[in-house]
Order: sequence, then C-alpha cells, then structure tokens
Amino acid sequence: GAVVSQHPSWVICKSGTSVKIECRSLDFQATTMFWYRQFPKQSLMLMATSNEGSKATYEQGVEKDKFLINHASLTLSTLTVTSAHPEDSSFYICSARDESGGLGAQHFGDGTRLSIL
Amino acid sequence: GEDVEQSLFLSVREGDSSVINCTYTDSSSTYLYWYKQEPGAGLQLLTYIFSNMDMKQDQRLTVLLNKKDKHLSLRIADTQTGDSAIYFCAERKRTGTASKLTFGTGTRLQVTL
Repeated sequence: GAVVSQHPSWVICKSGTSVKIECRSLDFQATTMFWYRQFPKQSLMLMATSNEGSKATYEQGVEKDKFLINHASLTLSTLTVTSAHPEDSSFYICSARDESGGLGAQHFGDGTRLSIL
Repeated sequence: GEDVEQSLFLSVREGDSSVINCTYTDSSSTYLYWYKQEPGAGLQLLTYIFSNMDMKQDQRLTVLLNKKDKHLSLRIADTQTGDSAIYFCAERKRTGTASKLTFGTGTRLQVTL
C-alpha cells in the first residue's frame, strides 16, 4: 500500500535552533502534501498545503516565515521550523495526497515529535 | 458550525461491536474518511465513502452515511484489543480550486477484556 515516510521521528534541540522535517511519498507521486500540527489529546490542525513547484498555502494564523515549506519534487516536501522556541514543541505530521485512481486519498507519515528546550 | 464533531471516548468489551459517530459540516463534501491513530504515530487510512453512497463494508468495518443529517458512522465488528486507538473522521471540502481534509475531534476507543 501507499507509504509516506517522515523523519526524524523525534527531535530535541535548544531554543533558537532551526529544525528540518522531511516527508517523502515512497511509492506514488504527490503534487500536494500537507503539514499538520497536533497538540496532546487534540485533533490535527492543518498548518499549510505544500504544492510541488510553487509556494505553499498557509492557513490563517500560521507564520510562513516561521514554518518554511519546500516542495521541490513530486516525492519530497520539507518543513523547517526556524529559530524554534519552546512554544513550537508539538507533534508535526505530514500527509501526501495520492491522486492516482481519482480518490485523492491522503496518506500520513508517522509524525515528528519536536521538543524545544 | 465549522467543527466536525465526534464523541470523545468509547469503551467496549473485546468481541463486541463498536460504533463511532461523526457529524460533519459540509453537504457538498465529496469523500468522507475514517482514520486510525495509535499512540505516537501518524494516521492510518481505514476506509472511505463517496458522498453518493449510503453504506460501505470492508471486512470488519462498515461505514454508514446519512447525507440528509450529515451523519457518518464507523462500525467495527468483533472489536479486538488491537483496535484500541483514536479514530478520526474527515471530510474532504473544496475551497476554491483546492481541496483539503477537515478532521473531527477524534474518538478514543478503549477495548477491554
């Protein structure tokens, strides 16, 4: 079945560091990928839609200069949390849309737990 | 409103059926999905239903859709301890030329022996 690989799975770093998270679709091409943030015991909050070859579309309230998204190929999107601070600590999950077959199902990575000290 | 609503918690005994309910918001949603999330992991797509269907069965899973009431349910037959997880419904909504998923609040399913 479709697989989305996300790494790293867990990052601990000091305040002020920039952290890059990668999301790869392993057996399908994805022109559209999504980045979500999930707080404990809560649902997923869409941060931005990553579009291959063009700028990402950010949801209201998400700082695009803080959360840099690059979707340079049909199988890779990256999220860089710049100058991370403790309030950025969260569980980040990526998703890739598989448009083959017309269903457009979104498949999810296993998430990255980001802890900023 | 804008929220996709689900019950927070459901507890069932092993072997019983589980029914997880979801009320969504947009009658024009084309696809509705059910995802499973185990602790510390991402979301696993379980099943989906197209908006012109009333029911879909896939092994132990049965999805019912009441479009008039915007109500979606997931029934898990013969629930096992491995089914313990958080279940999210999601609707695919079109916004302009794009579409995106809106997730429900999640239902934590606890399966007891």
